[in-house]
Amino acid sequence: EVQMVESGGGLVQPGGSLRLHCAASGFRLSDYWMGWVRQAPGKGLEWVANLKEDGSEKFYVDSVEGRFTISRDSANNSLYLQMNSLRVDDTAVYFCARWKLWFGEVSHFDSWGQGTLVTVSS
Amino acid sequence: QSVLTQPPSVSGAPGQRVTISCTGSSSNIGAGFDVHWYQHLPGTAPKLLIYVNSKRPSGVPDRFSGSRSGTSASLAITGLQADDEADYFCQSYDNSLHVWVFGGGTKLTVL
Repeated sequence: EVQMVESGGGLVQPGGSLRLHCAASGFRLSDYWMGWVRQAPGKGLEWVANLKEDGSEKFYVDSVEGRFTISRDSANNSLYLQMNSLRVDDTAVYFCARWKLWFGEVSHFDSWGQGTLVTVSS
Repeated sequence: QSVLTQPPSVSGAPGQRVTISCTGSSSNIGAGFDVHWYQHLPGTAPKLLIYVNSKRPSGVPDRFSGSRSGTSASLAITGLQADDEADYFCQSYDNSLHVWVFGGGTKLTVL
């Protein structure tokens, strides 16, 4: 069974850092494009970052470029999101999700984790 | 402000049919990018409901259907059931912003 479990969220002050962890099971992370998506309180979903299956390319939404880093540990089948210089507007539930390709292009998420809450506040 | 626009809420009685719209623009849905739909119960993992406009993953009942036309897409749910009560999100790609985009979400209430 495909499963992803996020952890590492919590309360952090503006300017601080957090590292989110997504533990994957039932499939090999290195076979898939993976992503992080967030949902701020009362808001819609927002794509945050992508990691290509071979690890060669990373993509970020402009608002986190230079502050967040997506990475992977293939040995532990885990995905990470290192978040630095956190801002109040980074407050959200963060989901890791697995991309499905359609005709070779990144298309839709076919599996998601349940999310972990990040609260940035003084 | 989400790039894709959805109604904040829809409702229907058990057994009825409801539709949820997802309105985009010429840089996303109107440019021919596929639309996908997710069902989300807060506190749980979102679930893929419809992919590539109208395809259902295995295990999703045929009460759920999707369509795309012009700059919009729709999700239709027939034979409403109590456990359909959830948030529904559409998703596509925007080639002007160069990001994957979501709608703001629609809360479905089964009366």
